[in-house]
Amino acid sequence: AQSVAQPEDQVNVAEGNPLTVKCTYSVSGNPYLFWYVQYPNRGLQFLLKYITGDNLVKGSYGFEAEFNKSQTSFHLKKPSALVSDSALYFCAVRDNAGNMLTFGGGTRLMVKP
Amino acid sequence: NAGVTQTPKFQVLKTGQSMTLQCAQDMNHNSMYWYRQDPGMGLRLIYYSASEGTTDKGEVPNGYNVSRLNKREFSLRLESAAPSQTSVYFCASSEYSVNSPLHFGNGTRLTVT
Repeated sequence: AQSVAQPEDQVNVAEGNPLTVKCTYSVSGNPYLFWYVQYPNRGLQFLLKYITGDNLVKGSYGFEAEFNKSQTSFHLKKPSALVSDSALYFCAVRDNAGNMLTFGGGTRLMVKP
Repeated sequence: NAGVTQTPKFQVLKTGQSMTLQCAQDMNHNSMYWYRQDPGMGLRLIYYSASEGTTDKGEVPNGYNVSRLNKREFSLRLESAAPSQTSVYFCASSEYSVNSPLHFGNGTRLTVT
């Protein structure tokens, strides 16, 4: 069975500093990896995905993610955090055989001015 | 472009009551999903419909039924609500492809007393 782990319930960072939100996964075969963001009282919004190819994936709002096959990780990064980036972030994985997308437990990002 | 629309936004039920959560998408997507979100547990898949005319169980299907009414609409029914079903429910849709991201509605917050 596929699974996703987000080891940090919350990440705190100062505005202007780089941020990293961690994600590790377990899946059979090649992984399809996704990051979503959730603002209060809203549904999840797609940020970026890794399918194949370059290990550094660029997405919306200046976010990027680094795929590391040997460490089975897909960490979300941004060079300079904004207060408006404060939200709940979810990592998700799907294998190439199924239709089910499995989510991690979420990481709350708090960016302080 | 409305995307994924869920009704109602809020609902309070008493134990044993029944209700149907409605979901409609206007993006001509083949696949539709129902997830529940609970604190610290991320999103868990209840049921999904890979294409019109098919439905399959997800991770936590007990106590729920679904109907794929047509390509646009996918409803979730609670026949006899229990307090353990207190949660936020999200409907999502996507293209029928492993690398397609999900598009989410804004959720239904359900409380069962």
